[in-house]
Amino acid sequence: GAVVSQHPSWVICKSGTSVKIECRSLDFQATTMFWYRQFPKQSLMLMATSNEGSKATYEQGVEKDKFLINHASLTLSTLTVTSAHPEDSSFYICSAFGVGVGKETQYFGPGTRLLVL
Amino acid sequence: QKEVEQNSGPLSVPEGAIASLNCTYSDRGSQSFFWYRQYSGKSPELIMSIYSNGDKEDGRFTAQLNKASQYVSLLIRDSQPSDSATYLCAPRMDSSYKLIFGSGTRLLVRP
Repeated sequence: GAVVSQHPSWVICKSGTSVKIECRSLDFQATTMFWYRQFPKQSLMLMATSNEGSKATYEQGVEKDKFLINHASLTLSTLTVTSAHPEDSSFYICSAFGVGVGKETQYFGPGTRLLVL
Repeated sequence: QKEVEQNSGPLSVPEGAIASLNCTYSDRGSQSFFWYRQYSGKSPELIMSIYSNGDKEDGRFTAQLNKASQYVSLLIRDSQPSDSATYLCAPRMDSSYKLIFGSGTRLLVRP
């Protein structure tokens, strides 16, 4: 199957700082990447959809100025949580969809656990 | 009405039994359906996909789809303790490739 990586897997930061999370498709070209957030004991919540070379489309209620998404290449998308606060602490998961082995459906990265103190 | 409905469980079955997981969806335009498994603290992993009405088998897993009833299910035969996880049903909006996730059914397989 298709392989998607995320980095870092864990991050702890102070309130007010910005955190960047990288999502990479390792063995296929990801024309579309999705970013999700998951709070404990809840399902995945889609935050935004990003297509390579264009602006991300954010879901209703997600602040685009707080969660900056860049999809600069067919294998890399980044999510930057700006001025993070404790309520942003969550499990952030990316998924990728594209051509080749990744074409059937979304394949998920391992996730990044963010803790804001 | 939620877009995707799943019984949250936990569904508890003994080892070796058949586990039956059910899902209903509201968007009649959904054409593709996926089952993901999520272990606690991990990200989802794809188990099966199904696109046509009827059954699709893959090893111990069988997905069933009935578009008229807007119903999709997953059967797990010879359940193992390692199958204990949350199973997420996800119809796809093919125009945008978005997946609409249910809240998941937690499965517990007792040794």
